[in-house]
Amino acid sequence: GAVVSQHPSWVICKSGTSVKIECRSLDFQATTMFWYRQFPKQSLMLMATSNEGSKATYEQGVEKDKFLINHASLTLSTLTVTSAHPEDSSFYICSAAQGPNQPQHFGDGTRLSIL
Amino acid sequence: AQKVTQAQTEISVVEKEDVTLDCVYETRDTTYYLFWYKQPPSGELVFLIRRNSFDEQNEISGRYSWNFQKSTSSFNFTITASQVVDSAVYFCALSEAEAGTALIFGKGTTLSVSS
Repeated sequence: GAVVSQHPSWVICKSGTSVKIECRSLDFQATTMFWYRQFPKQSLMLMATSNEGSKATYEQGVEKDKFLINHASLTLSTLTVTSAHPEDSSFYICSAAQGPNQPQHFGDGTRLSIL
Repeated sequence: AQKVTQAQTEISVVEKEDVTLDCVYETRDTTYYLFWYKQPPSGELVFLIRRNSFDEQNEISGRYSWNFQKSTSSFNFTITASQVVDSAVYFCALSEAEAGTALIFGKGTTLSVSS
């Protein structure tokens, strides 16, 4: 149980393109999902907390107009990287938990490469 | 402020050796949760354990064991009789008691097990 699916797993696109990443909890409902970013050989850094039916909470230094988050249902959150540039290339990972302070289950991540 | 320190950046061992990965945390909360996750080369994060701040009992799961000591704010992870498949990056993480709080990750320890 507690499977989180993330799609796509790998994206390569041109600079200026907007890219949408989906995060789905397949067998449970998640009122809260989290989006992390990981640069090569570095740790995961929280970007934002996505709450179903309300606006996402962004961490300091994360541009909310650049990284649009939508959490339209209890099983789906999306992250859209708008007008992506090479510096946005990274590994993006989402997670979801079944309840407060329950273990977070992670998607398999999305490798985003902007040319 | 909360913080997780994994002082060991990289560890290399030979198969069948025991290895301990260190984790030291900082938090002002009396109620908090500690986690260990494994990230193999494929990138996905695999949940290993969650421990709450009121449960200092050590845990063993097969070749894995965890030593939680509040007195030293440490939550160390030991792999006995290591195997090549244990090669991965291991992250220690902390979350505080507020509902839906995201994880604060350490920088990770890269474990390489050679045959």
